[in-house]
Amino acid sequence: ETGVTQTPRHLVMGMTNKKSLKCEQHLGHNAMYWYKQSAKKPLELMFVYNFKEQTENNSVPSRFSPECPNSSHLFLHLHTLQPEDSALYLCASSQIQSRDSPEKLFFGSGTQLSVL
Amino acid sequence: AQKITQTQPGMFVQEKEAVTLDCTYDTSDQSYGLFWYKQPSSGEMIFLIYQGSYDEQNATEGRYSLNFQKARKSANLVISASQLGDSAMYFCAMRERFDSNYQLIWGAGTKLIIKP
Repeated sequence: ETGVTQTPRHLVMGMTNKKSLKCEQHLGHNAMYWYKQSAKKPLELMFVYNFKEQTENNSVPSRFSPECPNSSHLFLHLHTLQPEDSALYLCASSQIQSRDSPEKLFFGSGTQLSVL
Repeated sequence: AQKITQTQPGMFVQEKEAVTLDCTYDTSDQSYGLFWYKQPSSGEMIFLIYQGSYDEQNATEGRYSLNFQKARKSANLVISASQLGDSAMYFCAMRERFDSNYQLIWGAGTKLIIKP
C-alpha cells in the first residue's frame, strides 16, 4: 500500500471550474505539503501544514486554497485557474521531530492538472 | 540566485555501468542537509539518500552513495551497477534553516536513461 495517496491522478478543467485535489497519508506523519512541479523547473513548495496548522505559504495565488482538516488529510481547492497553472501537483508528508532531524519527505504520485 | 545546480539535464548510460549525477549547492549555513530523490515515470518522488553537513563519512544506501565534497560544495550521487529500472528523473535537494522552519530547495533534475 502506498503511504501517500493522491486523487485524482489526472484532471482537466476549464478556467471557470472549481475542483479539489485530495491527499491522504497513512504514515502517521505530522506534516503535509503541497508542491507544484512544472516542466524543466525545480519543485516549488506551495503550502506546508505542521500539526494541521499552515506554516508556509510561498506567495501562492489565492486561486489555490489549501485545507487540512486533520493530520492525515490535505486538500487543494482550485478555482478560476489559468493555463500556466497546468502542472503536476505533488503531495508529501513527513515526521518533523526536531530542528535538526533530517526528516524524509514521502510523496504521492501526484495529480497531473491541465487547465484549458 | 540558484542554490542547487544539476548541470546534466539528461544522461544515457549502458546497463551495469556506474553512474555519477552531479549536484552543486550554495549555502552560507553551517548546518544543512542534502537529499537525492528519484522520480520514475509514475510520478512519485522516492527518497534515495541523505547527507548531513557534519557527517564525516559519505552516505551509502545499497547501490547508492553520495560523494560529498564540502569544500567544493558538491554532493554527487553515484549509482553502482546500473539497472534498467534506474531510468528516471533524479533530483538533488538541500535543506537549510529558513527562519524557524525548514524548506527543501530543489534542483531542476537530471533525466537518466539506462540502455540495455
